[in-house]
Amino acid sequence: AQTVTQSQPEMSVQEAETVTLSCTYDTSESNYYLFWYKQPPSRQMILVIRQEAYKQQNATENRFSVNFQKAAKSFSLKISDSQLGDTAMYFCAFIIMYSGGGADGLTFGKGTHLIIQP
Amino acid sequence: KAGVTQTPRYLIKTRGQQVTLSCSPISGHRSVSWYQQTPGQGLQFLFEYFSETQRNKGNFPGRFSGRQFSNSRSEMNVSTLELGDSALYLCASSLGTGTGEQYFGPGTRLTVT
Repeated sequence: AQTVTQSQPEMSVQEAETVTLSCTYDTSESNYYLFWYKQPPSRQMILVIRQEAYKQQNATENRFSVNFQKAAKSFSLKISDSQLGDTAMYFCAFIIMYSGGGADGLTFGKGTHLIIQP
Repeated sequence: KAGVTQTPRYLIKTRGQQVTLSCSPISGHRSVSWYQQTPGQGLQFLFEYFSETQRNKGNFPGRFSGRQFSNSRSEMNVSTLELGDSALYLCASSLGTGTGEQYFGPGTRLTVT
């Protein structure tokens, strides 16, 4: 079975600090993508960052970066210079890709509620 | 480009009724996936449609069904509603050709009384 574990149900940091959210996953498949999604109080799910499993280089999007450790099946998200607008639920997810472009649905973790304090 | 749209945004139904939710994907996207989000079970994959065909399905009972039209718009139907079907239903669109990225709509909040 494919699973995603986010071990931190809630985290709270001060504005401008750096915070790291943890995620581990389990799959026996080799072709997959990993994602971090953000869900603010509006409930709109927003894609934060994407990582292809076949790439060793860690993905970066502005203040957001990941630490992808494929052998350990670990995929953490680092948010630098955190802002009040970063307050949200953060979900780690992955999707198995099949030849021909097909894919299973996203498998999500339970989420980490991140609170940025002023 | 316009984002993913879902209608209606809120819905209240009674046990035993059926409901149809609609999703319009991003222009050019051919894949639409549906997810159920509840406090207890989290986010769970329902099914994916690509070029009017169901390509993948999650572990949900047959009361949950869907379809996709030639313009890629998708509908999800739930028959014989149960209290446990109360949830936020999210639709996501993607190109469907191997990038893996899915873009979500704002969701439909379904309450079953």
